[in-house]
Amino acid sequence: QKEVEQNSGPLSVPEGAIASLNCTYSDRGSQSFFWYRQYSGKSPELIMFIYSNGDKEDGRFTAQLNKASQYVSLLIRDSQPSDSATYLCAVITRSNDYKLSFGAGTTVTVRA
Amino acid sequence: NAGVTQTPKFQVLKTGQSMTLQCAQDMNHNSMYWYRQDPGMGLRLIYYSASEGTTDKGEVPNGYNVSRLNKREFSLRLESAAPSQTSVYFCATDAYNEQFFGPGTRLTVL
Repeated sequence: QKEVEQNSGPLSVPEGAIASLNCTYSDRGSQSFFWYRQYSGKSPELIMFIYSNGDKEDGRFTAQLNKASQYVSLLIRDSQPSDSATYLCAVITRSNDYKLSFGAGTTVTVRA
Repeated sequence: NAGVTQTPKFQVLKTGQSMTLQCAQDMNHNSMYWYRQDPGMGLRLIYYSASEGTTDKGEVPNGYNVSRLNKREFSLRLESAAPSQTSVYFCATDAYNEQFFGPGTRLTVL
């Protein structure tokens, strides 16, 4: 079982819609969760982090964490063509010596 | 500030050749990392260095060696390249759990 799993997509949404990305993780003791955005041919950049159960909002982005279900999600509201990218979920896991374990990423395409 | 820089940007090797990927950071961070990224696999940690003078294996260290030359520089060496090492390699540093990535090196081994 992979430590961090994401739907690979691609996820296609119309401009202005909500894009919903999901991530599950296997290490029940994980405490820190991150979302990175990666444009094609570029390096990943951090867009959100969340440590506590519940929702965390930053502009058009909302991260949601449910530790009991071992589930973290990212919502992108009012999606724009500039949001078209691959979104990587990352979790600090004990099994990886408290280093980041990354999911394979979900590719999002926002249709104008 | 350049952040994290990597050289070269692209490289093609023949099986059995060796090469060193260079990484430097001007962010004054202690920790540095080497990842590889393959389609459908996400980023996988090869080696990391918590501070100058220390290095540790990550998830996929076989076939690689590293050197933490000083606080700024962390190099990755392939002693005898294999086609399975065809990948995009990213160097990163971090502070307070936020990782900062270099632009990547796209390596092809024929």
